[in-house]
Amino acid sequence: QSALTQPASVSGSPGQSITISCTGTSSDVGGYNYVSWYQQHPGKAPKLMIYEVSNRPSGVSNRFSGSKSGNTASLTISGLQAEDEADYYCSSYTSSSTLFGGGTKLTVL
Amino acid sequence: EVQLVQSGAEVKKPGESLKISCKGSGYSFTSYWIGWVRQMPGKGLEWMGIIYPGDSDTRYSPSFQGQVTISADKSISTAYLQWSSLKASDTAMYYCARQLGYSYPDYWGQGTLVTVSS
Repeated sequence: QSALTQPASVSGSPGQSITISCTGTSSDVGGYNYVSWYQQHPGKAPKLMIYEVSNRPSGVSNRFSGSKSGNTASLTISGLQAEDEADYYCSSYTSSSTLFGGGTKLTVL
Repeated sequence: EVQLVQSGAEVKKPGESLKISCKGSGYSFTSYWIGWVRQMPGKGLEWMGIIYPGDSDTRYSPSFQGQVTISADKSISTAYLQWSSLKASDTAMYYCARQLGYSYPDYWGQGTLVTVSS
């Protein structure tokens, strides 16, 4: 199974909104509502930001939101802050594994 | 509080064996799967496989099948990832994470850096 497809990089200015896409197939992203998103700062472990497409764990800012349409999931970060600069990964359930996206580097200008 | 605490960094030579660990606490260790994820230097996350400590049911990603062994000792709430013969290409950070089957990892360990160099 191939990794999910994410843009290599996105950028935005403080206060703006950005969206990161995650494209898979009907066997993963499109077939199940088990898409999750992770934030990873340099030298740190990944942190769960969104699970089951659009749910936020306790403690995660409501500036982070998730959605899905067909085989593509999206993570939107509104009101960008400097601390949001990090790598972001999507993940999806499949019938035989867990798949990750290649990762997107978010730069806050 | 759910915690996964991994063993410390390792420096090994090619051909050596290695077993790293991940100890869970703050939840029922036998009720969730534990997954292992590789992150090579400067690269993305790669899912390696999972184990259900309750009955040691283990599943591997095709990319890692036969390359590593995942095991667990439920009596001490610890999961393991081991290699019988390391290669330089095994140099990476390895994370364990709690999972509900293949759905999604929620809590992550701090990572174990494995360096393989002659």
